[in-house]
Amino acid sequence: NAGVTQTPKFQVLKTGQSMTLQCAQDMNHNSMYWYRQDPGMGLRLIYYSASEGTTDKGEVPNGYNVSRLNKREFSLRLESAAPSQTSVYFCASSGGLAINEQYFGPGTRLTVT
Amino acid sequence: QKEVEQDPGPLSVPEGAIVSLNCTYSNSAFQYFMWYRQYSRKGPELLMYTYSSGNKEDGRFTAQVDKSSKYISLFIRDSQPSDSATYLCAGGYNKLIFGAGTRLAVHP
Repeated sequence: NAGVTQTPKFQVLKTGQSMTLQCAQDMNHNSMYWYRQDPGMGLRLIYYSASEGTTDKGEVPNGYNVSRLNKREFSLRLESAAPSQTSVYFCASSGGLAINEQYFGPGTRLTVT
Repeated sequence: QKEVEQDPGPLSVPEGAIVSLNCTYSNSAFQYFMWYRQYSRKGPELLMYTYSSGNKEDGRFTAQVDKSSKYISLFIRDSQPSDSATYLCAGGYNKLIFGAGTRLAVHP
C-alpha cells in the first residue's frame, strides 16, 4: 500500500510556463483534495473532488484547474505559472469508514521564478 | 480573522516534559477535529481524530475538544526528541480548515 503518491517531488518553472501535478491513491477513497502550504498560512484548500466525476473550488482556486481522471487519480494544472504560486502542494484523500480523515501525500515543492 | 487560530511557536521543551498544544476556532458548525504531525519537508500525518466534544487518548497522545469554548488541545506525555515536528490542528463539517501549525522542539 503506497497510500497517496505525488509527482514530481520538485519543480522549477519560469513565469508563464504551465505544468501538471499528478496525484494517485490506492486506498479506494472517494474524495481527493489539493492543498497549498505557505509559511504562516497553514494548509489552504485549492480544489477538491468529492467523488469521481465531480470537482469543486476550495479557498484559493484562482490560477489552477483540476481533473479527476478516475477514482485513483486527481491532477492539478497551472496554466500560466506566477511567482505567487511558489509553494508546497499536497494532495490528500479520504473515504471508506473513516470518511472525514484525510491522508496526505509527500508533497511537491514548486518554485516559480 | 482565521477560522482556526494556532500559536506558531516555536515551543521548546526538555525530553520527558508534558506538552500542551492548543487551537481556537470560530465556526460553531465544526463537528470533527483532527491533529496532524508534520516532519520537516514531509507530508502531514494524521495523529488524532475526534468527533464533537470530549477526549480521545492514544498512547502518549490525548486530544481534547471543548465545543462550548471552541478550544482544541493536544497533550503529549513523556515527550521524546522524535516528537519534534510541526503540529497542525484542523476542524470541519464538510471541509477541513487548518491552523497554521505549531513548531515543537523536544531537546534531550
